[in-house]
This record gives sequence, C-alpha cells and structure tokens, in this order.
Amino acid sequence: DIVMTQSPDSLAVSLGERATINCKSSQSVLYSSNNKNYLAWYQQKPGQPPKLLIYWASTRESGVPDRFSGSGSGTDFTLTISSLQAEDVAVYYCQQYYSTPPIFGPGTKVDIK
Amino acid sequence: EVQLVESGGGLVQPGGSLRLSCAASGFTFSSYSMNWVRQAPGKGLEWVSYISSSSSTIYYADSVKGRFTISRDNAKNSLYLQMNSLRDEDTAVYYCARVGIAVAGVGYFDYWGQGTLVTVSS
Repeated sequence: DIVMTQSPDSLAVSLGERATINCKSSQSVLYSSNNKNYLAWYQQKPGQPPKLLIYWASTRESGVPDRFSGSGSGTDFTLTISSLQAEDVAVYYCQQYYSTPPIFGPGTKVDIK
Repeated sequence: EVQLVESGGGLVQPGGSLRLSCAASGFTFSSYSMNWVRQAPGKGLEWVSYISSSSSTIYYADSVKGRFTISRDNAKNSLYLQMNSLRDEDTAVYYCARVGIAVAGVGYFDYWGQGTLVTVSS
C-alpha cells in the first residue's frame, strides 16, 4: 500500500497570511499514460464530513474559493491557502487514488494565530 | 442538490452485527460508484469499501475483508454496508461517499454524507 505523510501536524497562521501544507506519498502517484497526479485534498471542519477541495493535485472543485490551490507532482504535493480566513480553521487531508486501497494522509490541523 | 443520508448506526456488542444504509438523492445514483469511509473518534479517515455503479467491482480494506459486505440497490437509490463480527476497533463514524470521476481503482470522493456513528462495546 502507498503510505501518505503530511507536514506539519498542525500550524497556526494569522488571518490574511499564507498557510502551506505538505503531503508526501511513498511512491509516485503520477500516471504516465495521462500525465495526471492521482491526489486529492479535503477540508474537514469540526462535527462535519470532509469536503473535497482539490483533485488531480491542482484542479479546484467547483465552488471552492480561489485562495485554495494545490501543486506538486510525483510524490510531493502542497496545499496552499493564500490568505487565511476564519472559516478555514479545519483539518486538511490529502488522499491518493492512484492505487487501491485509497489512502488518506494523517491530517494537518490549521488554526488562527 | 446531491444528498447522501446514512442511517443504521448504534451501539452493538463485540461480535455483533449491524447494517448501515445510505439514501442518495439529487443525482443519477445508478451512474456512480460509491464508497464507505470511516473515522474513529478523534482520528483520521480510513477507506472501508468500494462498489462500482453496476456492482460488478467491489473492494474492501484488509481490516474489514471477510467481515463486511457492501451492496447497493439502484432501484431504491440506496447503498448498504453489512457489518458482521464487529470489533472494538470498528467504532467510528461511517460516511458514505460518492466517487467524483470514474478512474481505474476507487477514485476521489466528491460528496459525503453526514455520517452515522457505530459504537462497538460491551
């Protein structure tokens, strides 16, 4: 199985500042036949189910604010919140869907400093 | 509006059984693959099982293989998870989740239900 790691475990960022979350997979999730990275990002607020933010590593889901962006390829990926808002306080998970079983990262908690 | 509503959770003793249901609406259920994903209290997300739109392909996590059975009824727009031989470590909120885009394998999850809590305890 592919192992997913995230860093940091948690971070606190001032309102309006940038938050950066890293995700690393134990093997490449880049599918050579279509040049797509099989990597998604989710946001989970307390008491709520996860919400899809990003898929194919960098494609923003419809309705997701453009302050959220995904980047990276192969084994190293980043979720960036360009200007943190109060409503962005949540746990963020990456997930690989390159192979079965799909594996989630352990999560990164984002708080306001 | 896409809606997924889980039901059937509750308290069950170790070794017992439970059947979860997920009622889908707001989309053509028979066209989408579906999954169950769980989250133990205070922990991260763990994928449990996948079923393709026609039920022709089914996958399970190793942790539940042989104990859980996923199924669906496209005529009733419903997804199910039959859970047998339950263990303490199966205690979690169970979410049903829709696959976003059909890919080889399971895919990513574009819509999630609110979840139903399963507690396994004596």
